Amino acid sequence: ETGVTQSPTHLIKTRGQQVTLRCSSQSGHNTVSWYQQALGQGPQFIFQYYREEENGRGNFPPRFSGLQFPNYSSELNVNALELDDSALYLCASSLQVGGEETQYFGPGTRLLVL
Amino acid sequence: GDSVTQMEGPVTLSEEAFLTINCTYTATGYPSLFWYVQYPGEGLQLLLKATKADDKGSNKGFEATYRKETTSFHLEKGSVQVSDSAVYFCALTNQAGTALIFGKGTTLSVSS
Repeated sequence: ETGVTQSPTHLIKTRGQQVTLRCSSQSGHNTVSWYQQALGQGPQFIFQYYREEENGRGNFPPRFSGLQFPNYSSELNVNALELDDSALYLCASSLQVGGEETQYFGPGTRLLVL
Repeated sequence: GDSVTQMEGPVTLSEEAFLTINCTYTATGYPSLFWYVQYPGEGLQLLLKATKADDKGSNKGFEATYRKETTSFHLEKGSVQVSDSAVYFCALTNQAGTALIFGKGTTLSVSS
């Protein structure tokens, strides 16, 4: 039990639609990261937010965007969904202190795009 | 760029067998190294970590040693159980310290 929760657990959308995924971090954690895990692959880094500002981004297009809120919750938004966006989306929270942080993952949201 | 290479799976073992899952990495600087485990239908759980060369991470009977000279972080367990069946991911922090870079994962299946 990592104290990180995500909603919804499963979601089905059609191509071209928009989706919002939500994450609630461990209390006190000031950093949240989002990852995409395609079937049979390792997670790929989408972006990280630190104190409500984007703090790093992976190789994902601008239609992937995010928000982090003061109450330790965050959102991942994906516009203009494509079939290849079907994946497990994981959020991870951490406490950034002195450059060393361990990321704790939520159970994920499984997105299917038809 | 930074990357992680894990041995291909699946790894199939009998209960109480010795486990090794190989992991090598390519990185600039001195990343922290991690093993995460993913049980079916679940997210990732941190298994162990090491933050500098020659550190040994350990948890629940699993161990891995940060070997800078061979750029490796192999996962070992002396006696596996059926409950260890899962997918194991080796990962490192990127140079900026903002992201984890994962290997493709190794599936372990333990039978009684």
